[in-house]
Amino acid sequence: AQSVTQLGSHVSVSEGALVLLRCNYSSSVPPYLFWYVQYPNQGLQLLLKYTTGATLVKGINGFEAEFKKSETSFHLTKPSAHMSDAAEYFCAVSDRRGQNFVFGPGTRLSVLP
Amino acid sequence: DADVTQTPRNRITKTGKRIMLECSQTKGHDRMYWYRQDPGLGLRLIYYSFDVKDINKGEISDGYSVSRQAQAKFSLSLESAIPNQTALYFCATSDWGNDREGTQYFGPGTRLLVL
Repeated sequence: AQSVTQLGSHVSVSEGALVLLRCNYSSSVPPYLFWYVQYPNQGLQLLLKYTTGATLVKGINGFEAEFKKSETSFHLTKPSAHMSDAAEYFCAVSDRRGQNFVFGPGTRLSVLP
Repeated sequence: DADVTQTPRNRITKTGKRIMLECSQTKGHDRMYWYRQDPGLGLRLIYYSFDVKDINKGEISDGYSVSRQAQAKFSLSLESAIPNQTALYFCATSDWGNDREGTQYFGPGTRLLVL
């Protein structure tokens, strides 16, 4: 069975600082990996995804994530935080049939002025 | 217009009542899903449907039922609501025919309070 852990339920950064949100997964085969963002009172939006090919994936709003198979990780980063990045971020995995979608518990990002 | 819509957006009900949450999509996707979100637990899958005649239980289906009335419509029912079903409910879709990576697209959510 697949599972996802996100270290830190709440992360605070200062505006302009590096954002690092951690995601580790457990899967018997290399999965597809996703990051979603949820702004207050809204549904989830896809930030980026890794399926095959280049392990560094770029997404919307300046975010990127790197798939590291040896570490079973898919951490999300952004070089410089903006106030508008304050939201909840979810890491998710699915198997290579596009099924068995499993979400992590989420990390709430606060951006301090 | 939103591609995935949910009605109602907010609902307050009493213990023991039957309620229905509705989801409609204009994306033409074949697959639809219902999740609930609870603080600290992320999203948990309740039911999913790969087409009108294919409905499957998810991780936490007890106390819930679903109906796929058409490709574009997928309803979630709570037969006899209880307080621990208070949560934020999301509908999602995916397009297996054109996207074998399984990317899901979410509605805005329904906030349910069971008293």
